[in-house]
Amino acid sequence: AQSVAQPEDQVNVAEGNPLTVKCTYSVSGNPYLFWYVQYPNRGLQFLLKYITGDNLVKGSYGFEAEFNKSQTSFHLKKPSALVSDSALYFCAVRDGVGGGSNYKLTFGKGTLLTVNP
Amino acid sequence: DTGVSQNPRHKITKRGQNVTFRCDPISEHNRLYWYRQTLGQGPEFLTYFQNEAQLEKSRLLSDRFSAERPKGSFSTLEIQRTEQGDSAMYLCASSLGGQGGLNTEAFFGQGTRLTVV
Repeated sequence: AQSVAQPEDQVNVAEGNPLTVKCTYSVSGNPYLFWYVQYPNRGLQFLLKYITGDNLVKGSYGFEAEFNKSQTSFHLKKPSALVSDSALYFCAVRDGVGGGSNYKLTFGKGTLLTVNP
Repeated sequence: DTGVSQNPRHKITKRGQNVTFRCDPISEHNRLYWYRQTLGQGPEFLTYFQNEAQLEKSRLLSDRFSAERPKGSFSTLEIQRTEQGDSAMYLCASSLGGQGGLNTEAFFGQGTRLTVV
């Protein structure tokens, strides 16, 4: 079974400060990890993914995430937050065992990020 | 707009009625997914198609739910005899797929919000 935990329901940061949104995961095989962002009444927008290679991956809008295998974590980061980053962020995982034939994504419950001016 | 398109965006129906939602994926994507999202939760996997073949169904997909993708392009999700517990956002996503996780990210539509009264 695969699972994702986002331990913080809400994260509040001041504009210009660095932000971190936490995610831990559990899979049987190699993890394929994803971050998505959701704005009100909208679908999910893909931000970035980790499949293999460098542990630090860069994505859209200046976001990056660090894969840590020993801690089974994939925290989302941004060096300088913008008010427009305020949204709901979801971490997701799928099991890469068997060459990734399992295509089902399992999502965390989401973290509401609020960036204060 | 070449993204994933879902119709209708909103649907209000009376309990016991049948409803059908449509999803048009990104044109070259051979994989299509349906997810359900309720308030305060992350999306939950419902079903997955590769071309026209439905390869996996979640236990969440009761016998009142049926999904089709007859020509490997658009898909429909039908809910028969709707119940109040079916009220949720229904999200469709598509992906291209590839070797070793390449092109593995799913792109989501804006969703259909179903309200059963």
